[in-house]
Amino acid sequence: DAGVTQSPTHLIKTRGQQVTLRCSPISGHKSVSWYQQVLGQGPQFIFQYYEKEERGRGNFPDRFSARQFPNYSSELNVNALLLGDSALYLCASSSTPGGYETQYFGPGTRLLVL
Amino acid sequence: GESVGLHLPTLSVQEGDNSIINCAYSNSASDYFIWYKQESGKGPQFIIDIRSNMDKRQGQRVTVLLNKTVKHLSLQIAATQPGDSAVYFCAETAKLAQKLVFGQGTRLTINP
Repeated sequence: DAGVTQSPTHLIKTRGQQVTLRCSPISGHKSVSWYQQVLGQGPQFIFQYYEKEERGRGNFPDRFSARQFPNYSSELNVNALLLGDSALYLCASSSTPGGYETQYFGPGTRLLVL
Repeated sequence: GESVGLHLPTLSVQEGDNSIINCAYSNSASDYFIWYKQESGKGPQFIIDIRSNMDKRQGQRVTVLLNKTVKHLSLQIAATQPGDSAVYFCAETAKLAQKLVFGQGTRLTINP
């Protein structure tokens, strides 16, 4: 079975640019969450989506936005990139949000902002 | 609280020995806990989970212990193998919550 997939695997951008990251959840999973992992730290929650609706948002500025599509895939957009946005962006999927549903992570997209 | 710190604690063990990785969680309302293993360049991989109505749960070569009184979680890995080398994170959440809150992480190094 295919796990969570993310694209691209690596990305280099310059300050002020915009970036779109993509995620496909495990087949049958309807909830997608996004996390940011800065080097040397644990992942930090950005968003959770379920059935195309935002269910939760972490402490990130409005430059970060996301959406979920009818096929449950998701995109994370970051505008006006800052150097501090350089990180590994992880997508996790679960069958439903909350509850005791395990979140399974993809390999991540490593973003470098120069 | 949220994951903090730039310097990961490191645990070095001999191959074949047992490893114990500890984690202090922050929210007394958390009732679901998960251990993830993250190898270099990869996303976190689910290892084992435990709900707050349990004190102990065993998997293949791994055991998670939960002490709600002191808000402490531990992961025991039996007969550590070279493939166990990775960073291990505990994560906490609650049934009605949307997010996982990750601990600091511990780097496990296996010595031959």
